[in-house]
Amino acid sequence: QITLKESGPTLVKPTQTLTLTCTFSGFSLSTSGVGVGWIRQPPGKALEWLALIYWDDDKRYSPSLKSRLTITKDTSKNQVVLTMTNMDPVDTATYYCAHRRAGIAGYYFDYWGQGTLVTVSS
Amino acid sequence: DIQMTQSPSSVSASVGDRVTITCRASQGISSWLAWYQQKPGKAPKLLIYAASSLQSGVPSRFSGSGSGTDFTLTISSLQPEDFATYYCQQANSFPSFGPGTKVDIK
Repeated sequence: QITLKESGPTLVKPTQTLTLTCTFSGFSLSTSGVGVGWIRQPPGKALEWLALIYWDDDKRYSPSLKSRLTITKDTSKNQVVLTMTNMDPVDTATYYCAHRRAGIAGYYFDYWGQGTLVTVSS
Repeated sequence: DIQMTQSPSSVSASVGDRVTITCRASQGISSWLAWYQQKPGKAPKLLIYAASSLQSGVPSRFSGSGSGTDFTLTISSLQPEDFATYYCQQANSFPSFGPGTKVDIK
């Protein structure tokens, strides 16, 4: 059974750096084809893909946010970490991590964490 | 960037109705498309991938079709648990989501 769970601060100040951790179980990020992504959703708004990391440490970032994002993995801990620099109130959102569906090319997310709401405010 | 649009933005329907939601990509994406269902306060749930493949465990009343730039999600007979917001997502190099379609009770 695949599960994912996000953790991190619920409140950050403008200009600060956000660090979120995704802790997962039921799969290994050292298995060929596996990937974990981050997606966010501002309150009442649509979903926005942020980043994804593959089993081989290949990384993909949203072009519009690439300069602010870093995604890393710790295979031994079954964790993926996302950092976002220079946080702004418009970055207030629920942040999800998700498992990329294996066995098929493309970015299909078949298992999601419960999400964590991050508020950016002074 | 590939932009995704959906129509309608909302639809009111009754249990048993057939509901169709349309998604359009700003450029051709072959069959690189997914559909998700999201209920308030919950994470999205993958319904359809590769435009028409039903994710395991998803009821067969959900179906997807289309390729290129135009796609459709159809719920053949709406059930009470289907009232939710539905998002399409292009699954190519840099994923992007549509703005969502809210299905509510008529």
